[in-house]
Amino acid sequence: EAQVTQNPRYLITVTGKKLTVTCSQNMNHEYMSWYRQDPGLGLRQIYYSMNVEVTDKGDVPEGYKVSRKEKRNFPLILESPSPNQTSLYFCASSLWRNSYEQYFGPGTRLTVT
Amino acid sequence: AQKITQTQPGMFVQEKEAVTLDCTYDTSDQSYGLFWYKQPSSGEMIFLIYQGSYDEQNATEGRYSLNFQKARKSANLVISASQLGDSAMYFCAMREGRGSGGSYIPTFGRGTSLIVHP
Repeated sequence: EAQVTQNPRYLITVTGKKLTVTCSQNMNHEYMSWYRQDPGLGLRQIYYSMNVEVTDKGDVPEGYKVSRKEKRNFPLILESPSPNQTSLYFCASSLWRNSYEQYFGPGTRLTVT
Repeated sequence: AQKITQTQPGMFVQEKEAVTLDCTYDTSDQSYGLFWYKQPSSGEMIFLIYQGSYDEQNATEGRYSLNFQKARKSANLVISASQLGDSAMYFCAMREGRGSGGSYIPTFGRGTSLIVHP
């Protein structure tokens, strides 16, 4: 089954404790991205990657890092999480950067206390 | 200025009736794409429909159609024959084409909550 998986689905952590949210897709997509969703703000893109070892900032990259060592994986790293990073995070992938359909993961609800 | 505006925070519709969710956009690009996504209470984002700026006909996908009015910069979603399962948040989004090397970062609206009454 074609899908985007994220782990963990739910995470409660404390300020400053490094964490990684994994994202994996099995569709051989080139383009992957991370979004955060906050009430009343819709989705905002954090980082995106157009292929292996090619990543770039989205609209809200501060406080986040990503890597793309393999085509299928695109982890999101919070080196020192802060409470303002409490949010719902989505990973998404598409065949190419201008493909009209993006496939979203199920979301990761992160709470930073 | 917002690039995507959804002016209806919440909408109510009777089951089996049609409903229109509004979306206006702002871009100076000639090439862009418009999308609608559905987010049910379970949280996943589901792609519904896409309209390219050069597409002459309105996009349709089953009960979903996109009423694209380029001059007015609007891309309203029409859901015909509403079903209880259509109750969800709906997001309009735009991806601008900035030519080679462009970032293609999509912009999402703030969403419209649709509730379908039996």
